[in-house]
Amino acid sequence: EAAVTQSPRNKVTVTGGNVTLSCRQTNSHNYMYWYRQDTGHGLRLIHYSYGAGNLQIGDVPDGYKATRTTQEDFFLLLELASPSQTSLYFCASSPGLQDTQYFGPGTRLLVL
Amino acid sequence: GEKVEQHESTLSVREGDSAVINCTYTDTASSYFPWYKQEAGKSLHFVIDIRSNVDRKQSQRLIVLLDKKAKRFSLHITATQPEDSAIYFCAASSGSWQLIFGSGTQLTVMP
Repeated sequence: EAAVTQSPRNKVTVTGGNVTLSCRQTNSHNYMYWYRQDTGHGLRLIHYSYGAGNLQIGDVPDGYKATRTTQEDFFLLLELASPSQTSLYFCASSPGLQDTQYFGPGTRLLVL
Repeated sequence: GEKVEQHESTLSVREGDSAVINCTYTDTASSYFPWYKQEAGKSLHFVIDIRSNVDRKQSQRLIVLLDKKAKRFSLHITATQPEDSAIYFCAASSGSWQLIFGSGTQLTVMP
C-alpha cells in the first residue's frame, strides 16, 4: 500500500507567520495533492502536481503556495498565515487523476 | 465547474440493517466516482469506486449504484457493523479534471 507521510502533525502559528507543511510519498505516484478539510465543506483541493516542478491550481488556492521538488516531495507554504487558514490539511498521492488517492495522516494547523 | 452534493450529513442505522448514502453531481462529463471513509480522528482511505461504463459495482458488503441520467450515485452498506461507523465522502471527476468531494456523511451504527 502507498505510504504518504506528513510533517508536522500539529502546528500553531500566529497571524502573519510563515508555515511550511511537508508531504512525502514513497510509491512513485505521479500526482500529489494538498487538501484542506473543514466541517461542512468536506475536502477542498488547494493545489496539485503531476510531477517534479509542476504545479496546478485547485479550488481554494488563495493564500497558499506549493512546490513539488521531487517525485516524492510536495510542500505547502503559507507565507502570511491568517486565522481563516486554521484547518486540517491532508496530502494525497495517486498514479493518475482518476485513480485511488492515498492520503497522509494530516496536519492540524492553528493560526492564532 | 463540477459540484457534488452529499444529501445526508448524518445517518444512524441499527447494526445489521443497511445504510444508503446519496450523492448528486452537476457535470454530465463526470466519469469516475470514488468513495472514501474517514474513521474518527484518522485519515481518509478509499473504499470503492464506480466508473461511468457500468451502473452497479459490489465489493463484499459495499454496493455502488450510478444513475447517469439523474446524475446521482449512491453507496449501500449491507449488514452494517459497528466498525462501519465513520464519515463517508463521495467524489466525482470528469476527464482530466481533479476530484470534487462531497461534504461527508457521518454514519453511526447503533448496537
